[in-house]
Amino acid sequence: DAGVIQSPRHEVTEMGQEVTLRCKPISGHDYLFWYRQTMMRGLELLIYFNNNVPIDDSGMPEDRFSAKMPNASFSTLKIQPSEPRDSAVYFCASSGDRRSKNIQYFGAGTRLSVL
Amino acid sequence: QKEVEQDPGPLSVPEGAIVSLNCTYSNSAFQYFMWYRQYSRKGPELLMYTYSSGNKEDGRFTAQVDKSSKYISLFIRDSQPSDSATYLCAMSASGLTGGGNKLTFGTGTQLKVEL
Repeated sequence: DAGVIQSPRHEVTEMGQEVTLRCKPISGHDYLFWYRQTMMRGLELLIYFNNNVPIDDSGMPEDRFSAKMPNASFSTLKIQPSEPRDSAVYFCASSGDRRSKNIQYFGAGTRLSVL
Repeated sequence: QKEVEQDPGPLSVPEGAIVSLNCTYSNSAFQYFMWYRQYSRKGPELLMYTYSSGNKEDGRFTAQVDKSSKYISLFIRDSQPSDSATYLCAMSASGLTGGGNKLTFGTGTQLKVEL
């Protein structure tokens, strides 16, 4: 398996624009997580899904953030409208290995810069 | 106070040194303990995984968990320049479903191993 795949790797946009980040989890994994990483706050969980259903979105900072998982192989994180303070690295991770569901495998991340 | 505390460093050591990285936590429900390694501009990757208290060794790496003190450690023997990365501790409550799959991360310790 190619691992968790995220796109784009880098995104530069202007304040007020809509941003969509994409994630393809590892095939067969039934959990998907979205994280945000900054120097100040470290790695923060935004939302996670189980079998395509959102389980906990308490980490989503504002209504400007939304996430969907229309099927087992694809998820999106959308920011609308984007603001400079949203600049961060966004990671997607999946888990569901039969040996242990607690091990999360991360993608390479999307580095977002909002000008 | 954060649930998981980790010294951000940076920690700089000479090649061949023994490195000790630590995390403390406050949630006594945590049962699964992990160390992730993150190279610059990459996603975190799982390094060590332990369940409950005790030690686990894998090559040059040893993970220790002391649940009575709510303290976990990662030791790196004979450190190499290739070990230079950020090390994040992560932990999870017991259970394989629902909230048990949610990881709480430390902010990470940046390690540099110098020649």
